[in-house]
Amino acid sequence: SQQGEEDPQALSIQEGENATMNCSYKTSINNLQWYRQNSGRGLVHLILIRSNEREKHSGRLRVTLDTSKKSSSLLITASRAADTASYFCATDQAGTALIFGKGTTLSVSS
Amino acid sequence: EPEVTQTPSHQVTQMGQEVILRCVPISNHLYFYWYRQILGQKVEFLVSFYNNEISEKSEIFDDQFSVERPDGSNFTLKIRSTKLEDSAMYFCASQGQAGSSYEQYFGPGTRLTVT
Repeated sequence: SQQGEEDPQALSIQEGENATMNCSYKTSINNLQWYRQNSGRGLVHLILIRSNEREKHSGRLRVTLDTSKKSSSLLITASRAADTASYFCATDQAGTALIFGKGTTLSVSS
Repeated sequence: EPEVTQTPSHQVTQMGQEVILRCVPISNHLYFYWYRQILGQKVEFLVSFYNNEISEKSEIFDDQFSVERPDGSNFTLKIRSTKLEDSAMYFCASQGQAGSSYEQYFGPGTRLTVT
């Protein structure tokens, strides 16, 4: 079954640095979405990239998608302490059930 | 900005009891979902709901679970006889129009603790 798997599992950086998280999946997809989750809280939608798109930007976020490699990356530029959270990719084939990865835990220290 | 809301934020129940988790999706959305996240694990899909019926469900969503949209705003998940392993965070999500926007927006979750 299709599955998003993020790496690294954990990432620690200093404020101002860029953070890059990667996601791989197994089968063809329609869309890939990235979510953020602060500890014990809900999932916040960050960005959606469609299978026919290669790159998308939203503020300090940049997402790329390589369907030939079945992978995506999320780049957070100029990170802030408030970016500390877990980040998940989620894929879908037909705009229905999302399949989530295990997530990357990002820690940004000031 | 419209958001998905869920109540209660935390529910403690004894094994074997029935629980109902409630969600109010974003008002003009058409597709509704329940997911769960066991502590420290990944978010898992339970069920999707469209046009007043289940459109997709996972293996987790067995006969102990049911969903309902009793009125134009609420979307509920019922667990008939809770088990210890049902302890998890339950998230409701909603999605707008298929074909134009597939973003799923999640509520803050209900933490269910079964003792």
